[in-house]
Amino acid sequence: DAKTTQPPSMDCAEGRAANLPCNHSTISGNEYVYWYRQIHSQGPQYIIHGLKNNETNEMASLIITEDRKSSTLILPHATLRDTAVYYCIVRVIQGAQKLVFGQGTRLTINP
Amino acid sequence: DAGITQSPRYKITETGRQVTLMCHQTWSHSYMFWYRQDLGHGLRLIYYSAAADITDKGEVPDGYVVSRSKTENFPLTLESATRSQTSVYFCASSGRTENTEAFFGQGTRLTVV
Repeated sequence: DAKTTQPPSMDCAEGRAANLPCNHSTISGNEYVYWYRQIHSQGPQYIIHGLKNNETNEMASLIITEDRKSSTLILPHATLRDTAVYYCIVRVIQGAQKLVFGQGTRLTINP
Repeated sequence: DAGITQSPRYKITETGRQVTLMCHQTWSHSYMFWYRQDLGHGLRLIYYSAAADITDKGEVPDGYVVSRSKTENFPLTLESATRSQTSVYFCASSGRTENTEAFFGQGTRLTVV
């Protein structure tokens, strides 16, 4: 299974863009990169996913490097409600499609 | 109601007891997952299922049993609960392809005393 590496914690000022990096250097060519977040003790919430092109939705943007070995999740105008743990996941498709979480990045948005 | 629901939300049980956590989804998703999350840590995959009657072990399967006789249900059983199984348990479901998101339940907080 492709593994991901994320910084354990990050801080960002309210109103600024939050850029969360993720390394997935062993990713296979047909594996997707997913981002989820978990606020307090709630169930994780889907944010965005992509294969090789950059993606944008109402919540965030996902930038995947050309070699696909890393990606960055961008929250364009962070608010206090974006304080959460953010997980970068590679969705494995060899055999059964496990969804395995790493330790994630604890993002704190400061007023 | 559409969605994924877990029951109970809170459960206290004694060491050695058998306890079953329920998970029900209304989307007819092929995949279902069980995770545990210990205080201050990330989610660890216990078991997952690709379809009815197909289950497989995740990262931490010991002490747990699952079944999936119907697509919409994926119960998790602790055959003989131990204090180390005190945790928050999350169930999730997703469609068949790798290009679909997973939806999570609200969690079950289990305390083994």
